[in-house]
Parts: sequence; C-alpha cells; structure tokens
Amino acid sequence: DMKVTQMPRYLIKRMGENVLLECGQDMSHETMYWYRQDPGLGLQLIYISYDVDSNSEGDIPKGYRVSRKKREHFSLILDSAKTNQTSVYFCASSPGSGNTLYFGEGSRLIVV
Amino acid sequence: KTQVEQSPQSLVVRQGENCVLQCNYSVTPDNHLRWFKQDTGKGLVSLTVLVDQKDKTSNGRYSATLDKDAKHSTLHITATLLDDTATYICVVGDRGSALGRLHFGAGTQLIVIP
Repeated sequence: DMKVTQMPRYLIKRMGENVLLECGQDMSHETMYWYRQDPGLGLQLIYISYDVDSNSEGDIPKGYRVSRKKREHFSLILDSAKTNQTSVYFCASSPGSGNTLYFGEGSRLIVV
Repeated sequence: KTQVEQSPQSLVVRQGENCVLQCNYSVTPDNHLRWFKQDTGKGLVSLTVLVDQKDKTSNGRYSATLDKDAKHSTLHITATLLDDTATYICVVGDRGSALGRLHFGAGTQLIVIP
C-alpha cells in the first residue's frame, strides 16, 4: 500500500515556538523531500534527503532543519517559528531512480 | 525568475466539455515533464510523464504532449467530470535521477460546473 503519511495535518503555533512536522513512507524509498506551497507559487524545495543521515539543503533551507534517522521517516523542524513560515508543507518520496514522486497530503501550519 | 509558466491561471468549464492546459518552461536541460493533479487540501498525484523530444501520452481521459524544441507541453482533459475540479501542476525535471532538480509551475485551477 504505497503511501506517504504526514503528521500533524493542521497546526497552529505562536511565533518563537518550535515546530515538528513528521513524514513516513512505506515504500522503502531512498529519497525524501520537504516542500512548502504558497498561493500563486510553485512548490519550493526546503530539504532533500538521499538516505539516512544524508541530507542536503534545497532552495529555501533558512529557518528549517531536518532529521532522517530511519529510511522510512523524515522530519522537518522549525526552531523558533516565524509568521512567514505559515504555509502548507508537503513531504514526498521517490525511489533512487528519481523521477516518480509520491506526495503526502500536506501539513498546514499557521504561525501567529 | 519563474522557469515554469502555466496558463490559464484558472479555468471554468461545464461538465462534459473538453479543456486544454498549457505549460511553457525555460528549464535547461529538460529531462522530463510530469503533470500532477492536486485536489483541494490534498497532495499531488501524478497523471503522466513525458520524456521524449516530441512525446505524447494518454491516460484515460487525460492526454498530454511535449515539444522540447518549443519547451511547451499541453494537458488535454476530455469530457470533463465534476471530479476533475482540481489544480493541475506542471513539473519539469532537469535529470532522470534524484540528483536532479524539479521545477514546479504554480498550477492551473480547473473548476468543472454542472
């Protein structure tokens, strides 16, 4: 059952609080991604992970960090959330060959 | 600068009508192009992928074309259904591996009315 699961789906945090977004996949995919989606813009890559403890910055990594200690699990952490980090965050995974992407249903974060 | 431009930004059609969505891009190299469907509040689901210099694909009522010389792709939806209401996103990959970059368009919002 090929699935990418994101938790939580909805989250409201105060400015300065820490945020943990979690993502799991059951396909043993090597590569996992975190994107954010804002109105009128294409998805922007925050971080990419090629496997356990093999993470690389994407286009907009500032203010975010990630953790991948198991192949099936990839976390996005916001230390001290800012209001401009209000967005919908998507996790995705793909096999090592790359060009097939499976997306989670998104985590909607509001920072007030 | 946006490297993947989609048009129209939004589109309203009546159920049963056909529609065409456009994607123009400037990404180089352009290894492949993929169309995704995103239902409101959901994740992206792949509809089709185009790879060849001049490519055509068909997936039920969805068909797509790619012309790499023109850096242009179209997504055709035939006999639209209410469930086709969604945002359609064009994505261009510059490599065929995870080491490549994916460039996302902002999407075309399609609304199908009865």
